[in-house]
Amino acid sequence: GESVGLHLPTLSVQEGDNSIINCAYSNSASDYFIWYKQESGKGPQFIIDIRSNMDKRQGQRVTVLLNKTVKHLSLQIAATQPGDSAVYFCAENVINAGNMLTFGGGTRLMVKP
Amino acid sequence: KAGVTQTPRYLIKTRGQQVTLSCSPISGHRSVSWYQQTPGQGLQFLFEYFSETQRNKGNFPGRFSGRQFSNSRSEMNVSTLELGDSALYLCASSGAGQLYNSPLHFGNGTRLTVT
Repeated sequence: GESVGLHLPTLSVQEGDNSIINCAYSNSASDYFIWYKQESGKGPQFIIDIRSNMDKRQGQRVTVLLNKTVKHLSLQIAATQPGDSAVYFCAENVINAGNMLTFGGGTRLMVKP
Repeated sequence: KAGVTQTPRYLIKTRGQQVTLSCSPISGHRSVSWYQQTPGQGLQFLFEYFSETQRNKGNFPGRFSGRQFSNSRSEMNVSTLELGDSALYLCASSGAGQLYNSPLHFGNGTRLTVT
């Protein structure tokens, strides 16, 4: 498969455990945030998004937390499964600035069976 | 709905040549964006088109250009290829309008290798 990053930070978790992936964003004007999952040989896949008027948003097995004070975003995955193994990217955007996303460097999640 | 389709999947070119990559967005999506992904620089924004107009442009040289057609399909062109242009080029479409955002949906990319 194609490598999406040779020296990514890696999070290794046991199957069934919860995973927390963190992201620090840079632009205090950013007001829309997205998490993507990228598997080898594929493009980024949308997981969940959150707007700056919210602190928390939940999806199926995933939760995103936003702390605007310290410009920090996290993705929590409940009951991590082997199929969750991938590289995860956070992205930030400024509303009214089109779809110009700024991506973080990514975190590789490895799930041990 | 079919997802974002990019062609070709793989491409090998020689330094100095030019290349054109194609993207068909999700049906009904009017915004198409292009990103370059490399191991060293990560995912970087190239440009975005909305209703055939370039809405935003990233920090790339003029050798990188794009266009969007009336059916929202988009192409990007890279002229005078350099070795450093080797990358995965990703196209993404969005149903967002002029003043609001919605998630970008990415294709699986075109892997360009410049030799």
